Amino acid sequence: AQTVTQSQPEMSVQEAETVTLSCTYDTSESDYYLFWYKQPPSRQMILVIRQEAYKQQNATENRFSVNFQKAAKSFSLKISDSQLGDAAMYFCAYRSARVNYKLTFGKGTLLTVNP
Amino acid sequence: SAVISQKPSRDICQRGTSLTIQCQVDSQVTMMFWYRQQPGQSLTLIATANQGSEATYESGFVIDKFPISRPNLTFSTLTVSNMSPEDSSIYLCSVDITHTGELFFGEGSRLTVL
Repeated sequence: AQTVTQSQPEMSVQEAETVTLSCTYDTSESDYYLFWYKQPPSRQMILVIRQEAYKQQNATENRFSVNFQKAAKSFSLKISDSQLGDAAMYFCAYRSARVNYKLTFGKGTLLTVNP
Repeated sequence: SAVISQKPSRDICQRGTSLTIQCQVDSQVTMMFWYRQQPGQSLTLIATANQGSEATYESGFVIDKFPISRPNLTFSTLTVSNMSPEDSSIYLCSVDITHTGELFFGEGSRLTVL
């Protein structure tokens, strides 16, 4: 079974600084997707960024980028120029590329942004 | 994207009662997913609901405790039956409209059982 591990229960960053959230996963499959989801205090989960395992290039979305190390099964999220609105719980998630397969979530990292 | 509405947004219930949570999507989707998020915890998939067939439950979740209906392609309900304080959680409805695992979530239903 696939597992997703986020080793940092909490992180904090100063506004405008950069922070990296860690995620490792365990799988025997070669084709899969990885995600970072954000859950602000209002509770609604939203997708931050997605990475296809077959792509070597790291995904980026504006201030958000990932460092995907397939051999090491590592998938970290870097947030640049942190903003107060980035404060949230961040979940790393894994999904097999097999059709209709479920997402497995990590336990989350609570990010605090200090003004 | 998808807009997902859940009702109720929160409720306080007595032990032994049941509560039905509704999930409405603004577009037709084949599969809907129900997740549970216990206090301070991650999301755990309860079941996958397909229109026109029985829901598929994950290990540790049973239909008698969490019956699900899926009458059409835009709507689903999850019932939490015979509730106990351990059922106090946020219950989230989600859909995958791109079939790549990108889930869109409702705002969740925060359930407190006394």
